[in-house]
Amino acid sequence: DQQVKQNSPSLSVQEGRISILNCDYTNSMFDYFLWYKKYPAEGPTFLISISSIKDKNEDGRFTVFLNKSAKHLSLHIVPSQPGDSAVYFCAASSRQGGSEKLVFGKGTKLTVNP
Amino acid sequence: NAGVTQTPKFRILKIGQSMTLQCTQDMNHNYMYWYRQDPGMGLKLIYYSVGAGITDKGEVPNGYNVSRSTTEDFPLRLELAAPSQTSVYFCASSPWKDTQYFGPGTRLTVL
Repeated sequence: DQQVKQNSPSLSVQEGRISILNCDYTNSMFDYFLWYKKYPAEGPTFLISISSIKDKNEDGRFTVFLNKSAKHLSLHIVPSQPGDSAVYFCAASSRQGGSEKLVFGKGTKLTVNP
Repeated sequence: NAGVTQTPKFRILKIGQSMTLQCTQDMNHNYMYWYRQDPGMGLKLIYYSVGAGITDKGEVPNGYNVSRSTTEDFPLRLELAAPSQTSVYFCASSPWKDTQYFGPGTRLTVL
């Protein structure tokens, strides 16, 4: 049973436009969420995170939105650049529950076309 | 600033062979993790450690073993390689129960 779901395996956008990547979760104990970016033949790299006490966190071109009632989060990239082309993983953990573990989604492959 | 290093980068094993995937971090992180990633799938946790001498199973531990004798090193052992263990293996470390920092991965093929 997937606790973290990324229902879009792929997304294609034009350079300069907005990219929106979505993630849904089922475990109401999750209270900390992260996005990782992964290039081919490299390990995932941390991008941005959000705690459940917030509904938005922004870092430069990247913004993560959290809707706790819908158990949904999204990553917005504005403006999108060709270098953003990568696989993006959503991950979640239960800090209050004392978990040391992250649960990952299957990833969404983003392609930004010049 | 090396971060998390993994060796080897690539390896081909025959069925039944054994090997150890090495992972070292130089950030003095207490938490370390081993994941595998199969094509089109997310990262699945194999084993993790919350400090030297302490390890625990993750989601898919069968066929693997780990040890953590030092803070820096967290090797993953495959005793009897099987084709189902063909995957990309990632090691990660974390200072606390949150952001994990990943190594570059080891691509393993079992034939």
